[in-house]
This record gives sequence, C-alpha cells and structure tokens, in this order.
Amino acid sequence: GENVEQHPSTLSVQEGDSAVIKCTYSDSASNYFPWYKQELGKGPQLIIDIRSNVGEKKDQRIAVTLNKTAKHFSLHITETQPEDSAVYFCAAGFNAGGTSYGKLTFGQGTILTVHP
Amino acid sequence: EAGVTQFPSHSVIEKGQTVTLRCDPISGHDNLYWYRRVMGKEIKFLLHFVKESKQDESGMPNNRFLAERTGGTYSTLKVQPAELEDSGVYFCASSQDQRQGGSRLFFGSGTQLSVL
Repeated sequence: GENVEQHPSTLSVQEGDSAVIKCTYSDSASNYFPWYKQELGKGPQLIIDIRSNVGEKKDQRIAVTLNKTAKHFSLHITETQPEDSAVYFCAAGFNAGGTSYGKLTFGQGTILTVHP
Repeated sequence: EAGVTQFPSHSVIEKGQTVTLRCDPISGHDNLYWYRRVMGKEIKFLLHFVKESKQDESGMPNNRFLAERTGGTYSTLKVQPAELEDSGVYFCASSQDQRQGGSRLFFGSGTQLSVL
C-alpha cells in the first residue's frame, strides 16, 4: 500500500519568514496530493491540493510543488503569520474515473509554530 | 451551511466497555469516511460509505469495530469491547458525489477516545 513520509515533525519560524514542509510517497499510482491544516480543537481543513498533471499550484501565500519522478511534494508558506501556527498534514490518494479522492494516506504531521 | 458534526467530543471509558461514536455529515454528501489518529501519529483511513453502503472497509482494525450508516445519513462507529490501543482521535469526514465535482473532504472536529 501507499506510504507517506513527512518532514520535519516540528518547525519553528519567525513571523515573516518562509516555511517549507516536505513529503514523499511510495505508490506511483497516487495522483492526488492535498494538504490539511489542523488548528487546536478543530478537525483538519483542506488548504490546497494538487493533481499529478500539475507541477505547481499557488494560492496567495501558500504553494505546493510536485515532483512525480522523485515522488516528492512540498508545501511552501511565505510571509508566515502567527495564525499560521497549526499542525499540517500532507496526504496522497488515487482517483480513477468517478472514484472519490476520499481514501487518503496521510503523513505524520508537522507542528508549525510562528513566533511574533 | 452546517459542517460535519461529531458526538461526543471526548469519551473516557474503561477497557472492556462499549463506546459508540456518531457522525453527522454535511447535508447532501453521499460520501462519509472514518479516520483515526493514534498517539500523535498519522491519520489513518478506517472506512468509506457511499450513502448507506460500505464502499471500502479495508482500514478497520478488527471485528471489535462496527460502523453503520442506516438510511445514508448519519453514521455510528461502535467499539466493543474497547481495548487500550483503541485510544486516539476518531475523525469523520464527508464529501459530495465525485460526479458533482466533489473531491474535497470536510472533516469534523473529532472524538477524543481514551480507554483506561
């Protein structure tokens, strides 16, 4: 089955700096890669996702890159703010035709702390 | 629009007892998923319902776990009898029919289960 490794497990940055979280996956059949943010007391919330036919996607201060050959994908957060502090999870999934993307394999999570 | 709702938010039980977790998905979402995060590790898939049918239950740990979704609305996850290793956070998530463009998973806040 699929295996997703996520690094680092903790990341501490100063406000305004950039933060990068990296993930690797094992199953070359995976074609959907979402990132989730989990704040204290809440469930994971999708912040950005990328499909395997795209190498990069950006949404304001966050961006995700995908290297299918190396089976790597990364989350980049620029101009970090204290409210970016949370646990971030990467995930990998597979979609064939109309099958839902919902069965995902998650990484172990990264605790991001942004210091004012 | 109401989000995914889970009850209870916390449950503390003794080994050998029974616990039932409930999930109310977003109205109109055919897909319902159960996930679990144990001891700060990765979030792991348990099973997937499409309406009232179990689409994939490959992640269920053993036969002490029983999930139901009668009528295709809310779902329950029963653990009987509970063991120490069942402790963790149980997340429910829902998504629309893939054919309607729904691939995004919406997570509930989770149920923190502690088995003593």
